[in-house]
Amino acid sequence: SYELTQPPSVSVSPGQTATIICSGNILGDKFVSWYQLKPDQSPILVIYEDSQRPSGIPERFSGSHSGDSATLTVSGTQTLDEADYYCQAWDRSIHWVFGGGTKLTVL
Amino acid sequence: QVKLVESGGGVVQPGRSLRLSCAASGFIFSDFGMHWVRQAPGKGLEWVAVISYDGSKTYYAASVIGRFTISRDNSNNALYLDMDSLTNEDSALYYCAKASPSSSSQFFDFWGQGILVSVSS
Repeated sequence: SYELTQPPSVSVSPGQTATIICSGNILGDKFVSWYQLKPDQSPILVIYEDSQRPSGIPERFSGSHSGDSATLTVSGTQTLDEADYYCQAWDRSIHWVFGGGTKLTVL
Repeated sequence: QVKLVESGGGVVQPGRSLRLSCAASGFIFSDFGMHWVRQAPGKGLEWVAVISYDGSKTYYAASVIGRFTISRDNSNNALYLDMDSLTNEDSALYYCAKASPSSSSQFFDFWGQGILVSVSS
């Protein structure tokens, strides 16, 4: 099976930089996307194709991908960024797969 | 703006069936593939099923093959998920999600708010 691994939690102080890593075997040749989930709200796409930011997503969200790891970086983290974040990849054989999710706490 | 609204959830007994619906607006529905994604209580996201823009192709997660059927009605901008032989493991918040425009980079660019399905006797 194909799995994407994320840390269960990341904590950061307001204004600091939060880094969430997503790793998985054979991730190297796949695009990675990132989603933000908040309670009682629709999930939001924050990064697609490793590093592209959809319209309306603040510039403090950025993404990168190197080898078998992808990284979501939130610069100048704000309290409203507190949420669960999921990475996701796609492959013709594994279809769509998500990481286990990371709870970002801003305190 | 893109809007996806799920309906049809509720409490259902194990072994029974349920149909979820998703009403889409704000984009040309018949131009895009559509997905169902779920999140069980306390768990992460799990992709469930996808249907192509014209309904000709469908794919399913191994956990639902043979029990769930995804379909769409492009004339009414509607997406469906028929769920049969439900088990406790199918209890989850079910999201309708729009497929990305790119065929080489497959992601979900818009999501609904989700609808809760609880399988319990």
